[in-house]
Amino acid sequence: EAQVTQNPRYLITVTGKKLTVTCSQNMNHEYMSWYRQDPGLGLRQIYYSMNVEVTDKGDVPEGYKVSRKEKRNFPLILESPSPNQTSLYFCASCRAGLLTWSYNEQFFGPGTRLTVL
Amino acid sequence: AQKITQTQPGMFVQEKEAVTLDCTYDTSDPSYGLFWYKQPSSGEMIFLIYQGSYDQQNATEGRYSLNFQKARKSANLVISASQLGDSAMYFCAMREGPNSGNTPLVFGKGTRLSVIA
Repeated sequence: EAQVTQNPRYLITVTGKKLTVTCSQNMNHEYMSWYRQDPGLGLRQIYYSMNVEVTDKGDVPEGYKVSRKEKRNFPLILESPSPNQTSLYFCASCRAGLLTWSYNEQFFGPGTRLTVL
Repeated sequence: AQKITQTQPGMFVQEKEAVTLDCTYDTSDPSYGLFWYKQPSSGEMIFLIYQGSYDQQNATEGRYSLNFQKARKSANLVISASQLGDSAMYFCAMREGPNSGNTPLVFGKGTRLSVIA
């Protein structure tokens, strides 16, 4: 089954304790990205990656790091989490389409609800 | 300026009736794609429908159709014959640029739809 998986699904942590949220896709997609969702703000992109070893900042990258050492994995790293990073996080992937836009549907993971105390 | 504007924070619709969720967008790029996603209370993001800027016809997917008015820069989602299971948050999104997956998907703030029996 084609899917994007995220782990953990729920996490409560304390300020300053480094954490990693994993994201993995089994569709051989080139493009992967991370979003955070906050009430009243919709989804905002944190980082994205066009392919292995290629990452770029999105709209709200401060306080986050990512890596793309393998095509299927795109972990999100919070080196020193703070309460303002309490949010719902989504990982997504899609093909880097060459032909038409309609192939560029993004597949979303189930979300990770993070609470930083 | 916001690239995606959803002016309806919430809407109610009677079961079996049709409902239109508004979305306007702002871009100067002639190539772009417009997407609608559904987010039920369980949190996952579900892709509904896609419209390309060069598509001649309005997109349709089952009970979902996209009322694409290019000159007005609007891409309203129409849900026909609403069902109780349609109650969810709906997000309009846009990606600008030529046919590739390397530009970020920008989301609106969402519209919460409640279907009443």
